[in-house]
Amino acid sequence: EPEVTQTPSHQVTQMGQEVILRCVPISNHLYFYWYRQILGQKVEFLVSFYNNEISEKSEIFDDQFSVERPDGSNFTLKIRSTKLEDSAMYFCASSAGLVVTGELFFGEGSRLTVL
Amino acid sequence: GQNIDQPTEMTATEGAIVQINCTYQTSGFNGLFWYQQHAGEAPTFLSYNVLDGLEEKGRFSSFLSRSKGYSYLLLKELQMKDSASYLCAVSYTGRRALTFGSGTRLQVQP
Repeated sequence: EPEVTQTPSHQVTQMGQEVILRCVPISNHLYFYWYRQILGQKVEFLVSFYNNEISEKSEIFDDQFSVERPDGSNFTLKIRSTKLEDSAMYFCASSAGLVVTGELFFGEGSRLTVL
Repeated sequence: GQNIDQPTEMTATEGAIVQINCTYQTSGFNGLFWYQQHAGEAPTFLSYNVLDGLEEKGRFSSFLSRSKGYSYLLLKELQMKDSASYLCAVSYTGRRALTFGSGTRLQVQP
């Protein structure tokens, strides 16, 4: 069964460092998303991406964050200067169509720990 | 904001039935999803409701009342492996992303 894959599964970094989280969405999907989940809290939307541009972003997704689709398969989330409060599980997701009718497929997540 | 409310924790016995409720703001509502999330893992899709009524899928059923802004997830013949968090998520008009509730942590006891 096709799946969303994410790397790394766990990354530990020092505050102020840049981090890049990588995702390979399901190949025929058109919509890509990043969500995050701070330990013990709810899944929070960060950004959605369609047709090579951001289609929506939340207030969490400030200037420290950026997304890119550098080639036909990868979808990356960059955090320029990490803060302690960025420690969370970051989930990539993709869907074939608009989420209003389509199922959202999540990757296994990348756990980011900022020290 | 678009608040989605569900109980924080529930406990049930193996073999029993449990109902997990979810209420949401109705303005701009498009559809409602239920996801299962085991500790440390990704959410996995369980069900999708867009019309009023009950959708049944094996041991799991999901109900929706659009006018009341209410849904529930019904789990029958509970198994130990059903111990997980159950996330209610809503799709709203004009938004491409889902809005998630805080999740209900279900513990199934022998």
